[in-house]
Parts: sequence; C-alpha cells; structure tokens
Amino acid sequence: QKEVEQDPGPLSVPEGAIVSLNCTYSNSAFQYFMWYRQYSRKGPELLMYTYSSGNKEDGRFTAQVDKSSKYISLFIRDSQPSDSATYLCAMSDYKLSFGAGTTVTVRA
Amino acid sequence: EPEVTQTPSHQVTQMGQEVILRCVPISNHLYFYWYRQILGQKVEFLVSFYNNEISEKSEIFDDQFSVERPDGSNFTLKIRSTKLEDSAMYFCASSGRPGDNEQFFGPGTRLTVL
Repeated sequence: QKEVEQDPGPLSVPEGAIVSLNCTYSNSAFQYFMWYRQYSRKGPELLMYTYSSGNKEDGRFTAQVDKSSKYISLFIRDSQPSDSATYLCAMSDYKLSFGAGTTVTVRA
Repeated sequence: EPEVTQTPSHQVTQMGQEVILRCVPISNHLYFYWYRQILGQKVEFLVSFYNNEISEKSEIFDDQFSVERPDGSNFTLKIRSTKLEDSAMYFCASSGRPGDNEQFFGPGTRLTVL
C-alpha cells in the first residue's frame, strides 16, 4: 500500500464551482498535513497546513483532516480559472511525503 | 515577502560529471531540505539538514549525493557523478521549525543529464 494516495485526476470544473480534493494515507505517525499548489515546472507553493483533526479555513480554501479515517480534503469555493494547477497533498512525520498531485482545470 | 531562491534554473550536464545545485533559504530558517521530482512523478524527499549536519536522508540519497552549508546563506546539493536517471527537478525547501509543518519551496533547478 502506498504511503499517500491521491487521485491524479484530471479534474475539470466550471468557474464558480466547488473543487473537492482528497488524499488517504496509511502512516499513523503523520502529524502535520499540508496542501501545496504547483504550476507547471514551478516549485510547490504552500496553501494550507493543519495539525489536528478538524477544519481549517483560509479565504476560499478549507482543509479538513480526519485522523481516525486517515483522510484529508481540500475544498476550493468559488473556483477561478487562476486556480487551475496541480494540487499536492503532503504529510509529515519529520520529512514530507507527497501525494501524486491532482491536476485541476477551472473552465471560464 | 521572503522566499527561497535556487540557481541555476536549468543545468545541462554530461553523464559522469559533477554538478552543484545552489539554494538560498529564507534567512531566519534553520531547517533545510532537498527534494526531487522526476517528470510526471511525485515529489520525493532526498535529505534534511540542521545544525550543519544531515538529520535524515532517503534511500535515493546515496554516496553520490552530498549537501553542504558553506556559509551563512547558501545550501548546496552536489551530485558527484551524474547518471541519466538523475534528470529531474530539484527543489530546495526551508522551514523555521522542526516537524516540517511549514516548509517553503524554491522554484527548482531542472537538471538534464545527457
């Protein structure tokens, strides 16, 4: 079983829709959970990080962590074409373990 | 806003040659990392560095790789004898705190080994 599983998509949504992304993991030692956005051939950009189970909101972004199910989610409300990118989940037990990334296209 | 910078943005080298990839982490950060991403694949952890020594390294980080903080600002990754399969994007990251809860990445160096 892979340590971090993320559906690579691609995911295509119309502008204004809610984008829903998720990852599952197997390593109970993971303590920190992050979402990064990556544009083509660029470095990952930190969007959200959470430590405990529950929700964290930042503008149009909401991150959810359910440690009991080993499941994390990222929701993007009122999506914009500029949100088109690859979204990577990452988890930490000291070093970061990344998911494969989900490619999202928001159609104008 | 402070950011991690990396040079060069693109490096082309011949197989067997040595390359040094350079990074300038965010100035007040204490923890430094190298990751790589082969085209179309996951970002993979290579090594973490704190207090002038390696904290942890992955199986990828074999004897061909080394890291150094030669002065107060730079952090380098050296590949001693490059192989074709070393072709990838190499990302440097830094964080101010242990536990990696906020790692900030540089733009990457694209290494092409011919």
